[in-house]
This record gives sequence, C-alpha cells and structure tokens, in this order.
Amino acid sequence: AAGVIQSPRHLIKEKRETATLKCYPIPRHDTVYWYQQGPGQDPQFLISFYEKMQSDKGSIPDRFSAQQFSDYHSELNMSSLELGDSALYFCASSLDYRPPYGYTFGSGTRLTVV
Amino acid sequence: AQSVTQLDSQVPVFEEAPVELRCNYSSSVSVYLFWYVQYPNQGLQLLLKYLSGSTLVKGINGFEAEFNKSQTSFHMRKPSVHISDTAEYFCAVGPRTYKYIFGTGTRLKVLA
Repeated sequence: AAGVIQSPRHLIKEKRETATLKCYPIPRHDTVYWYQQGPGQDPQFLISFYEKMQSDKGSIPDRFSAQQFSDYHSELNMSSLELGDSALYFCASSLDYRPPYGYTFGSGTRLTVV
Repeated sequence: AQSVTQLDSQVPVFEEAPVELRCNYSSSVSVYLFWYVQYPNQGLQLLLKYLSGSTLVKGINGFEAEFNKSQTSFHMRKPSVHISDTAEYFCAVGPRTYKYIFGTGTRLKVLA
C-alpha cells in the first residue's frame, strides 16, 4: 500500500541557510500535518492543512512557512536556520479532517543544522 | 486543554517477560487515544487506538491496551516481549480536531 513519502530523508544545512522539506500524502488523502521531533523529545505539532488551506497551527516559528498544493503535497520552508532547528520532521496525512481514520506518518526528514 | 503523561521514561525488561507501559491523559471532552512505536531513525507506527466501544483494544505485534475512563488511563501491555520490541513508545490523545498531543515517550529496552 502507498504510504506518506517525505523527501529528502536527510538534510544537512548551515546556520542561516534555508531548507525545504516535502511531503507527499497517501493518494486521496486531503489533510497533511507537520510535526517536529527534537533529539530525545516527543513530536510537537507545527501546522496542518486541509483541502489546501491551513487548518491548525501549533508551535511553528515565524521563520517557518508551509503550504499545501493543488496535488495535496505539502512543503515546509525553513529560513534563517538555527542549530536548534536540528530535528526529525514528520509529515502525516489523513482522509478528511478526522484524524482517527487513517492518520499515517511518513518516515521523516532528519535535518541537521551545522 | 488536553495533555498526556507517560509515567516511565525508560522501562527495562527481560526477554519473554510481560511489560506494561503506562499512560495517563487529561481532557474535558471525549478523546481518542493512541499508542505509537518508533524504532531508531524511523517514523511513527500506529500500534493501536481507542475510539469508542470496548475498553480493551488489541493492536499489532501482540500489544493490547485498556481504556479506563475513571482513572483517565490508557496503559498498554504485552504478555511476552522480544528483543525486537526495543523501541520508543508514544501515547497520544486526539481531540476531534486536527492534531495529536503526544506524551514524552517511554523507551522500552528488552534485555536478553
């Protein structure tokens, strides 16, 4: 079965650079969620999109922005990177905005800021 | 507001022994409850979920959990663990909106 695809799997950036993370949801899923998991920490919700519109916002820094495109894939743009941005970034998708019904995570993008 | 507390940050257990991973939640509304497993350098995999109905839910890999509304708990158990169960386990609560709230995780280490 198709899963949530995230790219790249690993990314190394220098401080103050910009990074773009991509998420391709399961086909027909219209809702995308982004989570950030720092080293040894639990996942923290960043932002979500339903039908290409922002549906909810968590602890996402102003330096980050995200959007969902017409094909439902989503991109998380991170600017002025800081060392503290080093983390595993997860994307999840679901059909409709009912999380219990098919809330599936991707394998994540590991971002390292040096 | 909703929150999740995982009472043990680490649980060492010998292979073939039973294990219980504890999770308590707080919420003023009905909740959906989940357990996820995360193997090193991998994503989160759903083990089991409680939405409604029977309070005892069975998941994959031999895990089961019991929802206890009066104690606001959702503890997960496995009668006999294997080395391959070594991983981080997260309990999560889902309101009927867009996001989950995760606990801080319990690192299960199965010893030979």
